[in-house]
Amino acid sequence: EPEVTQTPSHQVTQMGQEVILRCVPISNHLYFYWYRQILGQKVEFLVSFYNNEISEKSEIFDDQFSVERPDGSNFTLKIRSTKLEDSAMYFCASSVTQLAGGQDTQYFGPGTRLTVL
Amino acid sequence: SQKIEQNSEALNIQEGKTATLTCNYTNYSPAYLQWYRQDPGRGPVFLLLIRENEKEKRKERLKVTFDTTLKQSLFHITASQPADSATYLCALGFYGNNRLAFGKGNQVVVIP
Repeated sequence: EPEVTQTPSHQVTQMGQEVILRCVPISNHLYFYWYRQILGQKVEFLVSFYNNEISEKSEIFDDQFSVERPDGSNFTLKIRSTKLEDSAMYFCASSVTQLAGGQDTQYFGPGTRLTVL
Repeated sequence: SQKIEQNSEALNIQEGKTATLTCNYTNYSPAYLQWYRQDPGRGPVFLLLIRENEKEKRKERLKVTFDTTLKQSLFHITASQPADSATYLCALGFYGNNRLAFGKGNQVVVIP
């Protein structure tokens, strides 16, 4: 069964450094997402991406964050200058279509645990 | 303010019994609601989706109900097994955008 994959599984970085988290969405999916989950907290939406541009972003997704689809398979999340509070699990997800009218669902990857020291 | 509430206390249940979880929401008008399973340190795994015009959905031992008047969804696991032990997340979806809004989840522990 096709699945979303993410690398690395764990990333440790120093505060102020840039990190890039990588995802390979399910191959025929068109919509891509990043969510994060701080330890013990709920999963929170960051951004959605379609047709090579951001379709929606949350208030968490500030100028320190960016997303890119550098080729036909990868989808990346870049955090330009990491802060301690960026420590969290970051989940990539993908769906075939936009969830208009509840016709579809989002499939999540296993996550990247980001630890900022 | 907008809230999605799931019971913060773990549900401990004997194997073979039915586990019932509740998801209540406030100040949202969801187009649909989804339930996910999450194991420690892993990503959410999709289980069921129910739309606003549907009352009930079933999949194998799982059943979900959705009451838009009560602003509540119930999630049932029948004939529970130890392998069902996990945290179950409720997520709301909306017309016109594609973000999901999650509850914090409710842990289920099935005791053999």
